[in-house]
Amino acid sequence: KNQVEQSPQSLIILEGKNCTLQCNYTVSPFSNLRWYKQDTGRGPVSLTIMTFSENTKSNGRYTATLDADTKQSSLHITASQLSDSASYICVVSRDNYGQNFVFGPGTRLSVLP
Amino acid sequence: GAVVSQHPSRVICKSGTSVKIECRSLDFQATTMFWYRQFPKQSLMLMATSNEGSKATYEQGVEKDKFLINHASLTLSTLTVTSAHPEDSSFYICSARGNREREQFFGPGTRLTVL
Repeated sequence: KNQVEQSPQSLIILEGKNCTLQCNYTVSPFSNLRWYKQDTGRGPVSLTIMTFSENTKSNGRYTATLDADTKQSSLHITASQLSDSASYICVVSRDNYGQNFVFGPGTRLSVLP
Repeated sequence: GAVVSQHPSRVICKSGTSVKIECRSLDFQATTMFWYRQFPKQSLMLMATSNEGSKATYEQGVEKDKFLINHASLTLSTLTVTSAHPEDSSFYICSARGNREREQFFGPGTRLTVL
């Protein structure tokens, strides 16, 4: 069964701190892995996209890693800001056309002042 | 970057009425559009995929006669929730993909509340 799991389910951190979100997947075939940020009441916004051969990719304070052997990915947020409060969704694409996505349940991050 | 809009952003309706939600790709031609539903604290669930000019493909368990999808042009798809009931209350998100983009661009979502 194609599945994407994320942990923790929710996380509370203080502003300025770092945090790491985890994603495990059992999806086949695998084309790429994406991390999205979804603010409450908004649609998802893409943070990073990584293919099989990429181990790490950064987007500002967001750094994603991918271990295709263990089928694990992480999203590291550095120097968190209040605006980072959102749900972070790990998505595995099964094709190279952006057609077939398997969504994780998301991690709800709250950054407190 | 590619922009996808949805209208309305929020809608409240009475049980038994029909509601239409629009999804537009603003700066690219969307050959494929996707409709998702998201319940509180859950992730997105794909409802249907539509290609311009053809009938939508619905996911298992999604009633095609209840959720009517029209993708009549390369920039517009509509989702009509017919005879809405309180259990249809949810956050509906569309996404769009063009021929050149190997990417889905998500709209901002529509919050539907059925009283």
